[in-house]
Amino acid sequence: AQSVTQLGSHVSVSEGALVLLRCNYSSSVPPYLFWYVQYPNQGLQLLLKYTSAATLVKGINGFEAEFKKSETSFHLTKPSAHMSDAAEYFCAVLAGGTSYGKLTFGQGTILTVHP
Amino acid sequence: GAGVSQSPSNKVTEKGKDVELRCDPISGHTALYWYRQSLGQGLEFLIYFQGNSAPDKSGLPSDRFSAERTGGSVSTLTIQRTQQEDSAVYLCASNPTATNYGYTFGSGTRLTVV
Repeated sequence: AQSVTQLGSHVSVSEGALVLLRCNYSSSVPPYLFWYVQYPNQGLQLLLKYTSAATLVKGINGFEAEFKKSETSFHLTKPSAHMSDAAEYFCAVLAGGTSYGKLTFGQGTILTVHP
Repeated sequence: GAGVSQSPSNKVTEKGKDVELRCDPISGHTALYWYRQSLGQGLEFLIYFQGNSAPDKSGLPSDRFSAERTGGSVSTLTIQRTQQEDSAVYLCASNPTATNYGYTFGSGTRLTVV
């Protein structure tokens, strides 16, 4: 069975500061990994995905994530936070390399950005 | 359509009533998923449809929950005899047949059982 753990339910940064949201996964097979963002009263939007190609994945809105097998991690980063980045972020894992299986989500991290 | 459409966006119902939630996936997407998002529970998988295959119902929390997908397109999630613990946001997502991993989500239906 696969799972993801997001470290920190709340992260607060200042505008312009580095954003780091942590995600560790557990999977018995090579995983596919995803980050989603959810703005208030909206559905989830795909930020980026790792599907066993390049380990450093670039997504939308300036976010990127690095797959580190040795650390079983897939942390999300952005060099400089913007006020519009305030939202809830979810890490998710899909095991087995299929696009049709169900995603397993982490508990989410709420990002607050202070002026 | 251009995106995944869910209706209604909000639903308030009395305890014990039945409700139907609708999902209209992206045209041509063969995979369709229902998730539930509630406070303290995160995102819970409910059910998954893939083409004409039997659905994966392993996430349905009780026999009060059921879902169907007609003609490989629109899906309806039905909750019978609603309980207060059913209050949540119900999210639908779809996925294409091509190797384009990662769902497209709808905006959800917020269900409140009073």
